[in-house]
Amino acid sequence: GNSVTQMEGPVTLSEEAFLTINCTYTATGYPSLFWYVQYPGEGLQLLLKATKADDKGSNKGFEATYRKETTSFHLEKGSVQVSDSAVYFCALSLNTGGFKTIFGAGTRLFVKA
Amino acid sequence: GAVVSQHPSRVICKSGTSVKIECRSLDFQATTMFWYRQFPKQSLMLMATSNEGSKATYEQGVEKDKFLINHASLTLSTLTVTSAHPEDSSFYICSARDPLRGEPQETQYFGPGTRLLVL
Repeated sequence: GNSVTQMEGPVTLSEEAFLTINCTYTATGYPSLFWYVQYPGEGLQLLLKATKADDKGSNKGFEATYRKETTSFHLEKGSVQVSDSAVYFCALSLNTGGFKTIFGAGTRLFVKA
Repeated sequence: GAVVSQHPSRVICKSGTSVKIECRSLDFQATTMFWYRQFPKQSLMLMATSNEGSKATYEQGVEKDKFLINHASLTLSTLTVTSAHPEDSSFYICSARDPLRGEPQETQYFGPGTRLLVL
């Protein structure tokens, strides 16, 4: 079946540290891949996406590359800020049954000043 | 643009009562809305897909008689948890698609969620 696996949290970093949150997927077909972010008390927001192999999604200093050979979509940021503290969800969407989205379990990030 | 609201943001109810959660698209028309359930420290699980003017499509294992979904207009979908029990306590999130924005079909906008606690 289709699934998304991402690293367990929480991840605690100091400000300006490098961030990597691992995400791998299993899918039949060719999914689109996403990273969503959920700030405290708010709904999920799309952070970035990639729709085909080797595409790189980027936004707000975050980036992730769609790696078909390793079925991965790891999220990275070179220098995190306290304001990046949130829960990050990796997800995939397939063009079957109306573009349902399948989410990973989420990774909570704490950034200390 | 593309704001989705949910009401209430949190609700506490007694076991056996019914609770209605509203999901509204504030500045666009949403022909399709999705309802998710999120358990603590777990992912979002899709419960059902709601299309305006037609019956909702439920995911396997979701009781349609317990989780009633009504998508009566292009800006409003409701989820009613009937005869709620403590195990229904969870975080319920809706999302909506705007087919007129010309965005990829997988684009969806999420509401802030409703926390339900059944005592």
